[in-house]
Amino acid sequence: GAVVSQHPSWVICKSGTSVKIECRSLDFQATTMFWYRQFPKQSLMLMATSNEGSKATYEQGVEKDKFLINHASLTLSTLTVTSAHPEDSSFYICSAYPSGGPYEQYFGPGTRLTVT
Amino acid sequence: DAKTTQPNSMESNEEEPVHLPCNHSTISGTDYIHWYRQLPSQGPEYVIHGLTSNVNNRMASLAIAEDRKSSTLILHRATLRDAAVYYCILRDRNSGNTPLVFGKGTRLSVIA
Repeated sequence: GAVVSQHPSWVICKSGTSVKIECRSLDFQATTMFWYRQFPKQSLMLMATSNEGSKATYEQGVEKDKFLINHASLTLSTLTVTSAHPEDSSFYICSAYPSGGPYEQYFGPGTRLTVT
Repeated sequence: DAKTTQPNSMESNEEEPVHLPCNHSTISGTDYIHWYRQLPSQGPEYVIHGLTSNVNNRMASLAIAEDRKSSTLILHRATLRDAAVYYCILRDRNSGNTPLVFGKGTRLSVIA
């Protein structure tokens, strides 16, 4: 099956700093990628839809100026958490559909962010 | 997408079959039934999907009720590696590249 990678797999940063998370589709092109957030013992919550070459679409309640998304190519989307705070500590997961099929969403392994 | 209902948790003994139920009484005729699972500290992974007929693949089987208002994911022989949260998700076949919406899923524990 198709592979989606994320980097880093875990990161610790200090409050007030920014951190960038990369999501790559390794063996397929994806015009659309998605970013989810998952808190402990909870389900995945969609944060935003990343579109190659255009602005991301954010879900209600997600601050677009805090969670900057850039989808610069058909294989790379980045999520930057700006001015991170401890409440931003979470498991961030990206996913993508291969352009042109198949009809299955592929997920990255996730990035564990801890803000101290 | 229509709503699904799953038990919060289930437990199984290793090497025994596991039947994970999902109710979707408001399913429409064009909704596919998808199952994904999430192993601890990993992203979700696709398990299986179907429309009307039962489906089998190397990971599991999907049994769909005749009225399509419920389905069951069957793991034929549970291993410790199958301990995960299993999500049953309905998606309209015309939904294109829209994101999956996750409910709470069923947390499966496998006992050695």
